[in-house]
Amino acid sequence: GEDVEQSLFLSVREGDSSVINCTYTDSSSTYLYWYKQEPGAGLQLLTYIFSNMDMKQDQRLTVLLNKKDKHLSLRIADTQTGDSAIYFCAPGSNDYKLSFGAGTTVTVRA
Amino acid sequence: DAGVTQSPTHLIKTRGQQVTLRCSPKSGHDTVSWYQQALGQGPQFIFQYYEEEERQRGNFPDRFSGHQFPNYSSELNVNALLLGDSALYLCASSSRGQGLNEQFFGPGTRLTVL
Repeated sequence: GEDVEQSLFLSVREGDSSVINCTYTDSSSTYLYWYKQEPGAGLQLLTYIFSNMDMKQDQRLTVLLNKKDKHLSLRIADTQTGDSAIYFCAPGSNDYKLSFGAGTTVTVRA
Repeated sequence: DAGVTQSPTHLIKTRGQQVTLRCSPKSGHDTVSWYQQALGQGPQFIFQYYEEEERQRGNFPDRFSGHQFPNYSSELNVNALLLGDSALYLCASSSRGQGLNEQFFGPGTRLTVL
């Protein structure tokens, strides 16, 4: 099955940019999603990118995809305290099955 | 427009009991996938329902079963509960029929097995 690796923790100062990295193994992944999970809550869809794209920008969020290296990143500009959460990248196939790693816990410090 | 809803929010059961969790997909969506998220881990795919049939299944035992109704809502049933079944159970809705790629998750059901 698909393996997804992310750094477990990221600490960033308020106002700085955050970059969360993700590597995956299944080259047939068609769509790659980013989700945010706050404590005790479900997963909030932030953005997703199609595998034939290499970049997507959506307000403060920028997704970069290096398909050759199977590397995905999420950049959050002007990080705010409300951005503190766990972030999951989730490669998906054409049949809508998602694979998740353990997620990256982002802590925003004042 | 209601998003994905799940019930109940929390549930406490004892070992050996059976449980049923419910999910209503986002309006216009026809596909429901279920995930199990143990504490401190990422969600793990259990199975997916589309057109009232199980289309895919992850690495979960037969104790986990499900159903999809004509209105696209879905149930997840777990028999003979084990302590290790304690987790947050999430459902995600999408639209295979329309080829839409967005997948939205509900708030989850927190199951505790004592």
